[in-house]
Amino acid sequence: ETGVTQTPRHLVMGMTNKKSLKCEQHLGHNAMYWYKQSAKKPLELMFVYSLEERVENNSVPSRFSPECPNSSHLFLHLHTLQPEDSALYLCASSQRGVNEQFFGPGTRLTVL
Amino acid sequence: QKEVEQDPGPLSVPEGAIVSLNCTYSNSAFQYFMWYRQYSRKGPELLMYTYSSGNKEDGRFTAQVDKSSKYISLFIRDSQPSDSATYLCAMSLGNQGGKLIFGQGTELSVKP
Repeated sequence: ETGVTQTPRHLVMGMTNKKSLKCEQHLGHNAMYWYKQSAKKPLELMFVYSLEERVENNSVPSRFSPECPNSSHLFLHLHTLQPEDSALYLCASSQRGVNEQFFGPGTRLTVL
Repeated sequence: QKEVEQDPGPLSVPEGAIVSLNCTYSNSAFQYFMWYRQYSRKGPELLMYTYSSGNKEDGRFTAQVDKSSKYISLFIRDSQPSDSATYLCAMSLGNQGGKLIFGQGTELSVKP
C-alpha cells in the first residue's frame, strides 16, 4: 500500500449505530487530519493531530470522536449520527507544520 | 463573507481550450496557495503549490497569485478530457500547523 488509505470506502448506517472510519498513511508523516466534504460546500476541517496530539477541534459535535494511536493511524468513531452527517469523509496527512497535505480516497457515509 | 470564494461551475470547454480557474479571498494574511484536483470518487491530489505573489508553471499548468487583488488563478493549456475533474483552491497563513482553508471547488468538463 502506498500513500493514504481509508476503509471502508462506503458506509451506510442507521442513526443508532456505532461505527468507525480508519485511515492509514504510508508516507512517514507526523500530522493527520479529518475533513468533511459535503456537496457544493468547501472542505471542512474537523480534527488535526500533530505528533499524535490533537491540536485542532473545529467545533465538531461530540458524536464524532477521533483517535490517533500512532503517527500512521487515525480513526473517526461515529455514534448516534444524524442524516445531515451524510458526506464524504477525507483523511489527509503531512509533515507537521507543512502545508502540503496528501489525501486518501475518502469514505462515503450515508446516515439513514 | 466566505474566506475563500470559488465559482462552482460547472465549466465545460472543448478539448484543446485554455481553461482559467479562479479564487478570491478576504484574508490578506494568507501566504501559501495551493490547487488540488479531485476526480470523481477520489480524494483531492495536490497539483500546484505557490508561496506569496507570482507565477509558477508546471507543464500545461500555470498558477498565478496576485496578493494585491487577493486573487489566484490556475490556467490549463491544451486542455484534455483527462483534465475533467473538480479543482479546489486552498490557502494557508503558514503558521497554523498546516491548517488549510478551501474554496468549494470548480467542476470542469473537457469535451473531446
